[in-house]
Amino acid sequence: AQKVTQAQTEISVVEKEDVTLDCVYETRDTTYYLFWYKQPPSGELVFLIRRNSFDEQNEISGRYSWNFQKSTSSFNFTITASQVVDSAVYFCALVGDSNYQLIWGAGTKLIIKP
Amino acid sequence: SQTIHQWPATLVQPVGSPLSLECTVEGTSNPNLYWYRQAAGRGLQLLFYSVGIGQISSEVPQNLSASRPQDRQFILSSKKLLLSDSGFYLCAWSFEDTQYFGPGTRLTVL
Repeated sequence: AQKVTQAQTEISVVEKEDVTLDCVYETRDTTYYLFWYKQPPSGELVFLIRRNSFDEQNEISGRYSWNFQKSTSSFNFTITASQVVDSAVYFCALVGDSNYQLIWGAGTKLIIKP
Repeated sequence: SQTIHQWPATLVQPVGSPLSLECTVEGTSNPNLYWYRQAAGRGLQLLFYSVGIGQISSEVPQNLSASRPQDRQFILSSKKLLLSDSGFYLCAWSFEDTQYFGPGTRLTVL
């Protein structure tokens, strides 16, 4: 079975702090994709990143970075120098080649205080 | 570029009334389309997906139905709404395993 676990239900930090959102996944597929989405208070889900199972290189995009480690089945997301606009619910998701369905984590609510 | 539209943005309906939510995609052809529901403070639940016109798969048995009358149009319907149908409804299309979401419809059933 496939599963995505985001153990952190809610994280609250002060602006400019770094914060890491954890994502642990389970799959028996050898080929799979991992995703992060951001859901701001407006509700729309915004795609942030897709990573395939054969590419373990870390990704950096501005203040955002992702650490993919197959050895620990984790795909963690770090925001450096957080800003109030980063406040949102962040979802991690997985799709494997045995099943078209996107498997979602429960989401982590991130609160950035000014 | 591709865009996805949903309407209405918000809707308040009495219990037992019908429902019709519409989703359209522009800038792509024959997309896979999806309907999700998100209850307040909860995760995403896949309701329906479609790989083509007239092809609908249901993931969760309920009083909702979906239709795809045109290639880039996906409609979510109900004949009689229940209180438990309240939530945030998101439509999505996918390209190469990545799903892109519309702005959503916030439905309140009273």
